[in-house]
Amino acid sequence: NAGVTQTPKFRILKIGQSMTLQCTQDMNHNYMYWYRQDPGMGLKLIYYSVGAGITDKGEVPNGYNVSRSTTEDFPLRLELAAPSQTSVYFCASSYGGAFLSGYTFGSGTRLTVV
Amino acid sequence: RKEVEQDPGPFNVPEGATVAFNCTYSNSASQSFFWYRQDCRKEPKLLMSVYSSGNEDGRFTAQLNRASQYISLLIRDSKLSDSATYLCVVNLNYGGSQGNLIFGKGTKLSVKP
Repeated sequence: NAGVTQTPKFRILKIGQSMTLQCTQDMNHNYMYWYRQDPGMGLKLIYYSVGAGITDKGEVPNGYNVSRSTTEDFPLRLELAAPSQTSVYFCASSYGGAFLSGYTFGSGTRLTVV
Repeated sequence: RKEVEQDPGPFNVPEGATVAFNCTYSNSASQSFFWYRQDCRKEPKLLMSVYSSGNEDGRFTAQLNRASQYISLLIRDSKLSDSATYLCVVNLNYGGSQGNLIFGKGTKLSVKP
């Protein structure tokens, strides 16, 4: 099993550009999450989804959008990139709530906005 | 009070040493607790869940004190390969967010030969 796959692994964006970070999982997990991790900081929840068609905001949703049209995919959209969005982005999934078994993470996308 | 607090370290220890990490959490309703390990420039990976009675996995022992809202991780006989950042994680247990996890900033461990 591939687990959680994120693409791209690295990206440099110019201020104001848009992009979509892709996340797909093949474990039939119903819960999916997007976190960002800034240097020396804990992971911060951006958005999460408890199933196809259902999404909700996390702690730091401003500047991002998500969709969940299938169980497998949970893309994260940056509409107008800003330097404050320079970070490492991790997608994660879990079967049922993460309080049961924790998350499985993807390998991350390193984004730099210049 | 921050939701999950950890000593950032770094903890520099020789091989074979025993090292302990501590963590406090602010949400008394939290029900699930974990330790994750994160290697440099890698994703976090689940090390172990933490149960009320305490639990052990090889050289690793986790303890939970609900009254003090305190979690610990003990690593015995440290190996070079244990060098990583250890993240304390608790679930956010209110409203509709029972599944969401809150991550501490992590404690960095460096095991030296």
